[in-house]
Amino acid sequence: ETGVTQTPRHLVMGMTNKKSLKCEQHLGHNAMYWYKQSAKKPLELMFVYSLEERVENNSVPSRFSPECPNSSHLFLHLHTLQPEDSALYLCASSPLDGSEKLFFGSGTQLSVL
Amino acid sequence: GQNIDQPTEMTATEGAIVQINCTYQTSGFNGLFWYQQHAGEAPTFLSYNVLDGLEEKGRFSSFLSRSKGYSYLLLKELQMKDSASYLCAGGVNQAGTALIFGKGTTLSVSS
Repeated sequence: ETGVTQTPRHLVMGMTNKKSLKCEQHLGHNAMYWYKQSAKKPLELMFVYSLEERVENNSVPSRFSPECPNSSHLFLHLHTLQPEDSALYLCASSPLDGSEKLFFGSGTQLSVL
Repeated sequence: GQNIDQPTEMTATEGAIVQINCTYQTSGFNGLFWYQQHAGEAPTFLSYNVLDGLEEKGRFSSFLSRSKGYSYLLLKELQMKDSASYLCAGGVNQAGTALIFGKGTTLSVSS
């Protein structure tokens, strides 16, 4: 148990579907992140929320839409995805104490058909 | 720009010592992290170096040279359970303070 919980663990969706990924952290951290992990590629930072405000959006297509209703919860809303969006989506949190140490969830393995 | 390089794969045998190297080019560098990730699981924190030198934690040690843009993770007395991907990541000073990751090194430990 890492203190960061992601649901669902696995998701299969069609290109016309709308789905949401959920992340919850129980560590009292103030920053939350979405990363994308594809085979043979580095972890790619998608979004950063600091104190519930989005502070970074790394040129992510608009078919990915994040939402951070409070410091403990983070969502990634998915709409009209492409097959190349199939990947492991990892949520992380950090305490904003200057160390930038990330605590990761186990991820959602997404397959887009 | 931001760039972190590490070998793609390494193999070793139980009881041996292995060194995984990482070179980086990042602006506003603020420390070097190592994470371990077993297949299908979350990356977990191993070490953090912000000053030059060697940090030792049990069987694992991490080294940093800021002037050379170089780090390594040293694993001693290898065990089968050490088979995993090892991710090198640089902390950068930017809004939100987030890590830039290398592609990871897949280590396979055999008996």
